[in-house]
Amino acid sequence: AQSVTQLGSHVSVSEGALVLLRCNYSSSVPPYLFWYVQYPNQGLQLLLKYTTGATLVKGINGFEAEFKKSETSFHLTKPSAHMSDAAEYFCAVSGGKTSYDKVIFGPGTSLSVIP
Amino acid sequence: EAGVTQFPSHSVIEKGQTVTLRCDPISGHDNLYWYRRVMGKEIKFLLHFVKESKQDESGMPNNRFLAERTGGTYSTLKVQPAELEDSGVYFCASSRRTGTTNNEQFFGPGTRLTVL
Repeated sequence: AQSVTQLGSHVSVSEGALVLLRCNYSSSVPPYLFWYVQYPNQGLQLLLKYTTGATLVKGINGFEAEFKKSETSFHLTKPSAHMSDAAEYFCAVSGGKTSYDKVIFGPGTSLSVIP
Repeated sequence: EAGVTQFPSHSVIEKGQTVTLRCDPISGHDNLYWYRRVMGKEIKFLLHFVKESKQDESGMPNNRFLAERTGGTYSTLKVQPAELEDSGVYFCASSRRTGTTNNEQFFGPGTRLTVL
C-alpha cells in the first residue's frame, strides 16, 4: 500500500524567506510523485511531478522538488516566498505501475506568508 | 482547451435528501476519477472510470453512493440518502487514454457539499 506524510499541517514564512514543505512517502513500487496546490476557492493545480529521470524537478511559480529514494522524500522548496504563495499544498503519490493509477494524497500543508 | 468542470460549485441539502454531482472531463480524456475531501481529512480516491466502465471503485464508501458515466463522456455522482458525514469537497479529475507515458490527472474546481 502507498501512503504520504507531510510534516506540519501549517507552515508560516516571512515574505522573501525560503519555503520548505516536507513530504515523505511509502511505496512498494517505483512511485510517481506530485505536488498540488489549492489556492483559496479554487481547484487543485499541479505544481510539479516526478516520474522518471532527473531527480530535481522544477515546477511552476519558482517551486522545485527533489526525489530522494534513499530517504523516501520529495520535499518542496522555493527560494523566496511571495504573498501569492499562500495556499494549501498537497504531496501525492501514484502507483507508477501504470501511468493512470489513482493518486494518494497527503494530508496537506497550509502555507501562510507573513509580510 | 477547456478544463474539467463540475456542477454545482456548492450544494447545501438536508440529511436524507438526494444530491447529484456532475463532472465534465476534458474532451478526449478516457479516464475520469472522483475524489473527496471530508473536513479535516485527506483527499481520498473514490473511483475511476475508463470510458463508461468502472475500472476501480475501491474507494466508494458505501452503497449510498452511485457513480455513472453513460456514453463515456460526463459523469454523475449521486448520494442517496445523504448523511452528515458526506459533507466535504468532491473533486473530479480526468486524464488521457491509457497507454500514454505522461498521463497527468487534471482536476476540476470541486463541488462543496454541505449536509445539514
